[in-house]
Amino acid sequence: ELKVEQNPLFLSMQEGKNYTIYCNYSTTSDRLYWYRQDPGKSLESLFVLLSNGAVKQEGRLMASLDTKARLSTLHITAAVHDLSATYFCAVDSGGGFKTIFGAGTRLFVKA
Amino acid sequence: DTEVTQTPKHLVMGMTNKKSLKCEQHMGHRAMYWYKQKAKKPPELMFVYSYEKLSINESVPSRFSPECPNSSLLNLHLHALQPEDSALYLCASSPIQKQGYGYTFGSGTRLTVV
Repeated sequence: ELKVEQNPLFLSMQEGKNYTIYCNYSTTSDRLYWYRQDPGKSLESLFVLLSNGAVKQEGRLMASLDTKARLSTLHITAAVHDLSATYFCAVDSGGGFKTIFGAGTRLFVKA
Repeated sequence: DTEVTQTPKHLVMGMTNKKSLKCEQHMGHRAMYWYKQKAKKPPELMFVYSYEKLSINESVPSRFSPECPNSSLLNLHLHALQPEDSALYLCASSPIQKQGYGYTFGSGTRLTVV
């Protein structure tokens, strides 16, 4: 059974600092996602990572995937308050339609 | 149109009521999903429809009944719910061959069972 673990689960950081969120998963998968969720809102797709060594960047966020280590990272550069949200990684299970979410990382960026 | 539209946004229902949640997309996606999300928890998959046929049911209680009338619409019929069913219900869609696509999620229906 596929398990997806994120850490940390809660992150409070100062504006301007850098930090990394980690996502480990337990079985082979060919697709990993990062989503953002603001309080009381729906999920917004940030990145889809398909292959080993994939790296994608959007603004202050950069995601990478190491399929051999079954590890993805979401790196935050020079954080700003607007990045405060919950970030989920998710991994496709066998067959592709069953996506398992990590517990989420609640990020709070202090001004 | 790149949106998934869910109605209603909020719903309060009694344990003896019957209600339905609706979801609509016009992106040509042939896979549609229902997720349930409790507060401060990740979304949990309930049902998956591919080509309008139910392909995954994650052992969801029969008081939740999904329906996919056509390729654009997805319903979730609710009957005799329990207070613990109160949650945010999210609809999502994707292409069948997802390739580089993530899911497109609707804004959700916040359900309260009293």
